[in-house]
Amino acid sequence: DAGVTQSPTHLIKTRGQQVTLRCSPKSGHDTVSWYQQALGQGPQFIFQYYEEEERQRGNFPDRFSGHQFPNYSSELNVNALLLGDSALYLCASSSDGGTEQFFGPGTRLTVL
Amino acid sequence: AQSVTQLDSQVPVFEEAPVELRCNYSSSVSVYLFWYVQYPNQGLQLLLKYLSGSTLVESINGFEAEFNKSQTSFHLRKPSVHISDTAEYFCAVIKQDRDDKIIFGKGTRLHILP
Repeated sequence: DAGVTQSPTHLIKTRGQQVTLRCSPKSGHDTVSWYQQALGQGPQFIFQYYEEEERQRGNFPDRFSGHQFPNYSSELNVNALLLGDSALYLCASSSDGGTEQFFGPGTRLTVL
Repeated sequence: AQSVTQLDSQVPVFEEAPVELRCNYSSSVSVYLFWYVQYPNQGLQLLLKYLSGSTLVESINGFEAEFNKSQTSFHLRKPSVHISDTAEYFCAVIKQDRDDKIIFGKGTRLHILP
């Protein structure tokens, strides 16, 4: 079992650009959550996808959007990048109703 | 709303000494409690969790945490640390009513001194 995988591992963008991050959940999991971890901070919840729908959303602007595919993999899209969007973006998967979320290694986004 | 406070941003401790990482939470509803560990340049790994039952929970690598409802605390302890325990530790909560949003503390960096 490969666990939760994320791509790419690192990404450098400039202000105003758009970025897409990808996540494949752990085998058997149908729910994907995305978190933003700024330097020196704990992860903050962005949103969660289940059955290809956004089920819950944290306090992030509409520039942050996502998608879940029929195979349960997910994408996080960020438009009009700001310097403050530089962070480690973590994907976590779980089974619906499960109490434990399994995290991927993250994608480190740097916005210049 | 839920919140998690980790009282120490950094904890230096000598190898083979005991350590306690403090965590307090606030919630108007019942929650599950977790400790996650993040090794340098890696994602988060679940260290241990409290769902119900015995208030003392243990991990496979010697850490333990005790849920104290009256003090709303979930402190993490280890009687003897190793250099390999160097990492960032995050306390976290999630509401029991199928709210799948994990609320994390800001983390405590455990620095093992030789």
